[in-house]
Amino acid sequence: EAMLTQSPLSLTVNLGRPASISCRSSQTLVHYDGKTYLNWYHQRPGQSPRRLIYRVSNRDSGVPDRFSGSGSGSDFTLTISRVEAEDVGVYYCMQGTYWPRTFGQGTKVEIK
Amino acid sequence: EVQLVESGGGLVQPGGSLRLSCVGSGFTFSNYWMNWVRQAPGKGLVWVSHIDNDGSSTNYGDAMRGRFTISRDNAKNTVYLQVDSLRVEDTGVYYCTRDADGHFDSWGQGTLLTVSS
Repeated sequence: EAMLTQSPLSLTVNLGRPASISCRSSQTLVHYDGKTYLNWYHQRPGQSPRRLIYRVSNRDSGVPDRFSGSGSGSDFTLTISRVEAEDVGVYYCMQGTYWPRTFGQGTKVEIK
Repeated sequence: EVQLVESGGGLVQPGGSLRLSCVGSGFTFSNYWMNWVRQAPGKGLVWVSHIDNDGSSTNYGDAMRGRFTISRDNAKNTVYLQVDSLRVEDTGVYYCTRDADGHFDSWGQGTLLTVSS
């Protein structure tokens, strides 16, 4: 099982400031097809999760360009260039390379 | 517009059974793998199960294997999760998700299953 470890688990950020979340896997997430299936989701309070970024760096339609994903192998990062009030909630990384699919523990983002 | 609508949750005693359903609309249901994901109250996301587009292949999380069964009826655009031998720790919101090549691009609103005596 590919275990995903997120850090930090909690983040308090001033509006307009950058924020970064790390996701590290216990094994490489490069699939034998050459693709890396590391995805990011955002869950606002009381809502279902929503896909944010798929396969490391591809933003979902409608996701603002202040969100970016990067990384390779087993080390990945979600970056918010300028945090806005609507960005509060919990962010999860998830791997789709191996069975079982696994999620990180989640990182709670709050505004200072 | 893609929509996934779950139903079937409720209060069940430990050891009991229930069947959850998820109806998809706004897309060609038979073209997509589908998954269930669970979220215990105040906790994170846990992947539960997957089924391929024609139902010939399934996968389960270790804690669910042998107790949960995923199936689908493409004629009804519906995926099911039969949950048996329920435990208190199975309590949570169960989300249905559409699988788009290794990532979940659409999520339902979830259905709450509570296991308690």
